[in-house]
This record gives sequence, C-alpha cells and structure tokens, in this order.
Amino acid sequence: AQKITQTQPGMFVQEKEAVTLDCTYDTSDPSYGLFWYKQPSSGEMIFLIYQGSYDQQNATEGRYSLNFQKARKSANLVISASQLGDSAMYFCAMRGYSGNTGKLIFGQGTTLQVKP
Amino acid sequence: GAGVSQSPSNKVTEKGKDVELRCDPISGHTALYWYRQSLGQGLEFLIYFQGNSAPDKSGLPSDRFSAERTGGSVSTLTIQRTQQEDSAVYLCASSMRGGHRNEQFFGPGTRLTVL
Repeated sequence: AQKITQTQPGMFVQEKEAVTLDCTYDTSDPSYGLFWYKQPSSGEMIFLIYQGSYDQQNATEGRYSLNFQKARKSANLVISASQLGDSAMYFCAMRGYSGNTGKLIFGQGTTLQVKP
Repeated sequence: GAGVSQSPSNKVTEKGKDVELRCDPISGHTALYWYRQSLGQGLEFLIYFQGNSAPDKSGLPSDRFSAERTGGSVSTLTIQRTQQEDSAVYLCASSMRGGHRNEQFFGPGTRLTVL
C-alpha cells in the first residue's frame, strides 16, 4: 500500500523568509514519482514540482525546490523568499509506476500562512 | 482558456436523488481522473480513464458511483441515490497519458451538497 504523511497541519512564515513543508511517504513500488500541489482558497489545484524516484538531482522550479531523501522516504518542499500569495494549502502526492494506474495518493495537506 | 472545465460548479440535491457531474479535459489529454475532496481533507482517488477505458476503478466508494468517458474526451460521474456523506468537492484532472511524470491538471471542481 502507498501512503503519504504530512505532519504539519499548519505553518506560519514571515514574508521573504524560506519555509520547508514536510512530506514522508511509504511505497513498495521500486519506481515512483512525487508531486507537490498548491491549493489556494479559491480551490483550484496548481501543480508545483515533480521528483522522480530515480532522478539523481533534487528538483527545482523557480522558488520551489524539493529536498528528496530517498533512504529516509522524505520529499520536503522548500519555498524560498516567501510571498503573501504563497498562503495556501499544500499537498504532497505520490504515484507508483507499477500496475496500470495513474492515480495520485495525496497527503492530508499543510496550510501555509505568510505573514507580512 | 484551454484548461480542464467542470460543470456544474455547485450542485445542491436532496438525499436519494441522482446527480451527474461533467468534466471536459484539456484537448489531447488521453488520461482523465476523478478525485473527491471532503471538507478540510486531502484528495481521495475515485477512478482513472485511459481513453474510454477505466483500468482503475478501485476508488469508487460504492456501486452507487459510476463514471463513463466518451470519444476519449468528456467524462460524466454519476452518483445514484445520493447520501449526505457524498457531500464533497469532486475534482477532475487530466494528463497527456498515464505514464511517468505527466503532471495532472485539475479542474475547478464541483461542490456537491446533499441535504
């Protein structure tokens, strides 16, 4: 079975500072992908960043980077230089590559509030 | 816009009625997914389509739930004899194919309220 755990229900960060959102996962698939999505109060799910289990380097997308530690089964999201618009719910998700399914397994999410 | 669209955006129904939720994926996306998000919760997978076939229906909570996809495009999620516990936001997503990275692009969702 696959599982995603996000242990931080809520986080605060000061504007312009960096913040790390935690994500740990469990899977028996030898090959898998990890995703982070942002959900603002408007409700849409916005894709942020992807990390493949066999990627040699940690993924980066602008101010977002993924701290991937395979042995620890963690895929923490780092947001640098936080902005007020970063206030949202953040979901970590995983997709295993065995079997004929593309489904994502999501964590419970972390609510991030950026303070001015 | 060329994003995923869903209709209706809101649906209020009475317990026991049937409802149909519609999803229009991004043009050219062969993979389509339905998820459900209950209040304050993460997303729960319901069903995955590749083309018009559904290789993974494992997330459908009961036989009251069904979905179809026609022409490799539009999908309809049907809930029969709705119950109050069906109240949630139903999200549709599409991707280029069901392979590796292919991030899923989500629609705005349909908020279903069962009275």
